[in-house]
Amino acid sequence: QVQLVESGGGVVQPGRSLRLSCVASGFTFGGYGMHWVRQAPGKGLEWVAVLSHDGSEIYYADSVRGRFTISRDKSKNTLYLQMNSLRIEDTAVYYCAKDPWLRGSSGYFDYWGQGTLVTVSS
Amino acid sequence: NFMLTQPHSVSESPGKTVTISCTRSSGSIASNYVQWYQQRPGSSPTIVIFEDVQRPSGVPDRFSGSIDSSSNSASLTISGLKTEDEADYYCQSYDSHNRVFGGGTKLTVL
Repeated sequence: QVQLVESGGGVVQPGRSLRLSCVASGFTFGGYGMHWVRQAPGKGLEWVAVLSHDGSEIYYADSVRGRFTISRDKSKNTLYLQMNSLRIEDTAVYYCAKDPWLRGSSGYFDYWGQGTLVTVSS
Repeated sequence: NFMLTQPHSVSESPGKTVTISCTRSSGSIASNYVQWYQQRPGSSPTIVIFEDVQRPSGVPDRFSGSIDSSSNSASLTISGLKTEDEADYYCQSYDSHNRVFGGGTKLTVL
């Protein structure tokens, strides 16, 4: 069955960096687009970034563009989110999520990980 | 970019039917599919409706989705409410480069 396991969260000071990882299993990782979605404490869901199955398309939310970088290592079945210049408002649970379309882009998410909490605080 | 607006909360009794709306601010609701996600407290979201009206396997047929072009909105209807349906529900759609979530609706079954 599909499993997505995030890690790398923690407490970090404003302006510092953090890298999140998401290990995927149960499906052909290289055939699907992958996303990061975040949820601030007590708030709603916010889409962060997408990486297409072949790496040809990468898009970011306006709130993180220029600071965050999404990438993947197909040999390790792992999705990454490099977060630089972190701000207090980046505090959230970060989920990785899978696109349901093989070698396509559906615009939505069929499986989600359990999330990893990032707290930006001085 | 467009926005999706949902009611902040709804409540209904067990066995009854509830409908949650999701209104698109600009552009046609029919131009891109709408999805609905359920998030129970302390858990990750799970999809309950995709492509406006489709139900993933394992989701009870008590859950249904629809769109209404006249009001530029989508709706999630849950019939025969059960206490286990108590959760936050989010609508979601997209355009060429963005994925957009509604603000979420807290469903209370009391």
